[in-house]
Amino acid sequence: SQQGEEDPQALSIQEGENATMNCSYKTSINNLQWYRQNSGRGLVHLILIRSNEREKHSGRLRVTLDTSKKSSSLLITASRAADTASYFCATDEHIEETSGSRLTFGEGTQLTVNP
Amino acid sequence: GAGVSQSPRYKVAKRGQDVALRCDPISGHVSLFWYQQALGQGPEFLTYFQNEAQLDKSGLPSDRFFAERPEGSVSTLKIQRTQQEDSAVYLCASSLGYRVDQPQHFGDGTRLSIL
Repeated sequence: SQQGEEDPQALSIQEGENATMNCSYKTSINNLQWYRQNSGRGLVHLILIRSNEREKHSGRLRVTLDTSKKSSSLLITASRAADTASYFCATDEHIEETSGSRLTFGEGTQLTVNP
Repeated sequence: GAGVSQSPRYKVAKRGQDVALRCDPISGHVSLFWYQQALGQGPEFLTYFQNEAQLDKSGLPSDRFFAERPEGSVSTLKIQRTQQEDSAVYLCASSLGYRVDQPQHFGDGTRLSIL
């Protein structure tokens, strides 16, 4: 099962523009993470925001979290062609059958930045 | 090594054959995860190790799937009597700590094709 859902599924913009991707999830979380995946490669961790945080910045990345709406957004400012990749949000989902938790990924947003 | 290493990068097998996929995590990382990623989808959790202990295998799709990490470092994911629906990218990830919601470091995956 995938807890997170990204929106939009695909986004195409021009270099220099800002890109905004959204993620919604279903259950309560400890934190939410964003990952990036270039074609044919593994995922790379970008940023983690805790459930008691509302906004976090890292370089050209800005992440917001609204726990009341169970949603997060990732903003990439001044985009570059090298930002072209798939972006996934991930949340810790409680698993009843094991009484543990696991990291659950959304379906991702495919971002294309045109030079 | 500098990152998580997976081998082989590509594996083609005939339906019914057994396959073994290897993961070398970052040295010293306690936690190791296996994911299955279908084309155009986010990674789906398969199993989780803390050192040599397999703490969660609830994501393994059938008893044909088996994973081990006997010495708490290298891990192997084995699929017996492969079927076409097993075709996917298998990703391995590791993290330094014990919590499943910490940032994970991914390998580039093994792309498995079952003919």
